[in-house]
Amino acid sequence: DVKVTQSSRYLVKRTGEKVFLECVQDMDHENMFWYRQDPGLGLRLIYFSYDVKMKEKGDIPEGYSVSREKKERFSLILESASTNQTSMYLCASSLKQLGGEKLFFGSGTQLSVL
Amino acid sequence: GIQVEQSPPDLILQEGANSTLRCNFSDSVNNLQWFHQNPWGQLINLFYIPSGTKQNGRLSATTVATERYSLLYISSSQTTDSGVYFCAVGSGGSNYKLTFGKGTLLTVNP
Repeated sequence: DVKVTQSSRYLVKRTGEKVFLECVQDMDHENMFWYRQDPGLGLRLIYFSYDVKMKEKGDIPEGYSVSREKKERFSLILESASTNQTSMYLCASSLKQLGGEKLFFGSGTQLSVL
Repeated sequence: GIQVEQSPPDLILQEGANSTLRCNFSDSVNNLQWFHQNPWGQLINLFYIPSGTKQNGRLSATTVATERYSLLYISSSQTTDSGVYFCAVGSGGSNYKLTFGKGTLLTVNP
């Protein structure tokens, strides 16, 4: 089975702090994603990476950056955390090939910014 | 972008009942997936089904791409089926960028 592991289940940070959310997958997937999930707004794509050092903006990239130095690891960075970034953050991965885009999610990180 | 509408928004069942969840989408797609989010927040991929019919135990799904809808069937429901069911779609060369519906909240009572 595919395993997508997020480093923290719960995280509490202060406004202005730099925050790193880490995600590791063990199935050699090319594609990795960061989503956030908010009540009433559903899941929204923040950033996507299709290869090492490659990234694409999703629907809501403002205030975030990402890093993919190794194929199995995809990091989400909040340069200066704000209260409106309090949310559930979900990492996911999939194969790149057509027909192989089945998406696998990690268990999520609930981030609270105070 | 593509609009995704799921119905019903909420559903309450007694254990053992059957149910059908619907996903309508506004444009042609080449990627459609169904997910179950359990009460602890974990999202599990149920089906990758851009067209046709698939079955996995008590669950089955059908996508009629030409008519822009997909159905998820749950038979003989169990309390562990409770949670939110999401449909997500993608299209064209960027079909990895999934658009999620708002979900159907299913509660199965013992």
